[in-house]
Amino acid sequence: DGGITQSPKYLFRKEGQNVTLSCEQNLNHDAMYWYRQDPGQGLRLIYYSQIVNDFQKGDIAEGYSVSREKKESFPLTVTSAQKNPTAFYLCASSRREKAYNEQFFGPGTRLTVL
Amino acid sequence: SQKIEQNSEALNIQEGKTATLTCNYTNYSPAYLQWYRQDPGRGPVFLLLIRENEKEKRKERLKVTFDTTLKQSLFHITASQPADSATYLCALPQTDSWGKLQFGAGTQVVVTP
Repeated sequence: DGGITQSPKYLFRKEGQNVTLSCEQNLNHDAMYWYRQDPGQGLRLIYYSQIVNDFQKGDIAEGYSVSREKKESFPLTVTSAQKNPTAFYLCASSRREKAYNEQFFGPGTRLTVL
Repeated sequence: SQKIEQNSEALNIQEGKTATLTCNYTNYSPAYLQWYRQDPGRGPVFLLLIRENEKEKRKERLKVTFDTTLKQSLFHITASQPADSATYLCALPQTDSWGKLQFGAGTQVVVTP
């Protein structure tokens, strides 16, 4: 079955640590996205990538970094510079042929800072 | 700046009735609008897309309307079932870049038997 996987499902981090969230897709999609969701708020875009070896900052990129070395993979690193990283993180992908293509989401990673 | 508003209060509805959700936007002239469903602790799932030149779109028990004059979309769930209980998000394209979406905060629907 094609889809998007995210790991781990739950992640606990101590203050001052960097952590990396995994996102893998086998849908052969060119575009991939990282969102952050806080209670009562909509999804906010952190980073997105329309093609391998290229990515752009979203609305809340500060304290985060990404890489896109392979079409299938778009890992997100939450650095110690992110002041309030506790949130639900969602990865998504979409086709590039049409601008209005729907986005397919992974199951999410819930990050908690201890 | 672009803004999307969805009713933050949960919509409680009896099984069999029609649930109607609203999505209002400002400072936008979107070419399309999408609706997603999100269950607790899970990623959103795409439901429907409606383009600016379409007034109405249907999929099974779901109906979406799009009024570009009022800057509003309505999302209807007819003959609602407890399994329809979830949060429903509307999403519009960001105008500054291809493929990017801006999501509303969502409206929770609770269908009771």
